[in-house]
Order: sequence, then structure tokens, then C-alpha cells
Amino acid sequence: NAGVTQTPKFRVLKTGQSMTLLCAQDMNHEYMYWYRQDPGMGLRLIHYSVGEGTTAKGEVPDGYNVSRLKKQNFLLGLESAAPSQTSVYFCASSYFGVRGYTFGSGTRLTVV
Amino acid sequence: GQQVMQIPQYQHVQEGEDFTTYCNSSTTLSNIQWYKQRPGGHPVFLIQLVKSGEVKKQKRLTFQFGEAKKNSSLHITATQTTDVGTYFCADETSGSRLTFGEGTQLTVNP
Repeated sequence: NAGVTQTPKFRVLKTGQSMTLLCAQDMNHEYMYWYRQDPGMGLRLIHYSVGEGTTAKGEVPDGYNVSRLKKQNFLLGLESAAPSQTSVYFCASSYFGVRGYTFGSGTRLTVV
Repeated sequence: GQQVMQIPQYQHVQEGEDFTTYCNSSTTLSNIQWYKQRPGGHPVFLIQLVKSGEVKKQKRLTFQFGEAKKNSSLHITATQTTDVGTYFCADETSGSRLTFGEGTQLTVNP
């Protein structure tokens, strides 16, 4: 039982490059989320999805796009990476928002 | 938007001492969830509090939800080195989104 799997675990990008972070969950959860974590700032919601084919903006959506074509996958895209997007990115999922979130192990992204 | 303030930001204790972190809001909280994140790890769900005045215990951990649902606390009795990590509270907003506090980083000196 893998839970929530994020790939890749580490990545270094040059400013202006693009990339996609993949999140996959095998718990049949409806809700999925992307958060970023920066030192001293807790976890901030980027985008989220309440079901297959749906996405919505969170607290800090600028510079990111997402897609949820399949229920088990939630993709986070950076079209043109900036140094301000250097962060640890966590994906999470939940079952109709109750019983807590299950988080992935995170992706450490550095933009130089 | 909803803001969840968490204090203290850092806490260093000797092993065996107690530890408490507080979560406060100027508005009524919906449901409070608590998470623990070990150094270099990911947040792990600990518990959810829903009712006003609710108290729940998990071994040495005691979670409380204030009567007015504007604050919550996590208390650890007799800390151990395994308690090291950052503890986050989070409030559930509409659409089942969580707004996280900034966390309390706990270090335990053996």
C-alpha cells in the first residue's frame, strides 16, 4: 500500500525551464492538493482538486498549473521556473476531506 | 482569509519535560487537525477535533479544542527524543481545504 507517491524527489532547474511534478495515490481519494513549504511559512496551498477533471486555485497559484485527468493522479506544472519557486512541494490526498490528509514524501525543487 | 496563528515558533526542552503548542484564530475555527512532521519528512496526520470543548488523548499527547472554537492546543507529557519535529495545526475551510499554522518546531535534549 503505497499511499501517495511523488516524483521526482529532487530536481534542480534553471530559471525559465519548465517541469511537471507527478502525484499518484492508490487510496481512491476524491480530493487532492498541492502545497509548498518554505522555512518559517508553514504549508501554503497552491491548487487543489475535488474530483477527476476538476481543479481550483489555492492561496498561492501564480506561476503554476495543474491537471487531474485521472482520479489517482494530480500533476503540478511550472511553465517558466523562477528562483522564488525554490521550495519543497508536497502533494496530499483525502477522502472527502475527513480523517486527515495523507501526504507524499515531497519534492525538493531548486531553481537557479 | 482565515489565518491560523501558532505559538511558539520554536521550543527546546529537556527530555522528560512537558511541551505545549497553541493554535489561535480571531474567527471561529471549523475543524482542527494536528500534524507532525519529522525533520526531513512529510506531515503525518495525528488527530481531528470537531466539537467545542473536545479533548482527545493519544498516549502522552493531549489535544484540546476551545469552548469558543477559536483556539486549540497540543500538550505532550514527559517528552522523549522521538517527539522531535514540527507540529502543525490546520483549520478546515470550505471545499475541504486546510489552512495551516506556521508550526512549532520542537527539539528535545536527551
